[in-house]
Amino acid sequence: NAGVTQTPKFRVLKTGQSMTLLCAQDMNHEYMYWYRQDPGMGLRLIHYSVGEGTTAKGEVPDGYNVSRLKKQNFLLGLESAAPSQTSVYFCASSYSSTSGSTQYFGPGTRLTVT
Amino acid sequence: AQSVTQLDSQVPVFEEAPVELRCNYSSSVSVYLFWYVQYPNQGLQLLLKYLSGSTLVKGINGFEAEFNKSQTSFHLRKPSVHISDTAEYFCAVIPSGGYNKLIFGAGTRLAVHP
Repeated sequence: NAGVTQTPKFRVLKTGQSMTLLCAQDMNHEYMYWYRQDPGMGLRLIHYSVGEGTTAKGEVPDGYNVSRLKKQNFLLGLESAAPSQTSVYFCASSYSSTSGSTQYFGPGTRLTVT
Repeated sequence: AQSVTQLDSQVPVFEEAPVELRCNYSSSVSVYLFWYVQYPNQGLQLLLKYLSGSTLVKGINGFEAEFNKSQTSFHLRKPSVHISDTAEYFCAVIPSGGYNKLIFGAGTRLAVHP
């Protein structure tokens, strides 16, 4: 049982390049989330999904797109990377929509945009 | 909008001393409260959570937190810290009915010195 995994662990992009971050969970969780972590700001929600085929915007969605084609995977895309998107990205999942259901986090992806 | 304030960005403490990490939240509705820990270069791990019931919540690694509704606080405590407790600690809330979306504080870096 690997829990929540993220690919890749590190990435360096040039401004304007695109990339996709992959999150996978093997816990059969319905909800999945993408956060970004910046110094002094905690984690902020980018997008989330309440089930296969559904996505919704979080607090800071601009510049990102997501897809949830399979229940176990949640993809985060950057179509045209900007230096402001330099951050550490965390994926999380939870079993249910019930508020208070524990979110389980992946190890993170460190992205640098030059 | 909901917000979470962690009153100390850094807390230095000597090994075996007690520690308190402070967290206040702003909310006009009921909330669920969480403390997560992030060890260096790792993802977040749940320490404890308050959903309802007893206001004193015990978590992993000897940590506990007390929910104080009148002061809108959820401070984290440990009576005797170890070097291995050195990490960043995040307080977070989910407003009830909030689709399980976590709102994080900026984090408190706990540094335990020998």
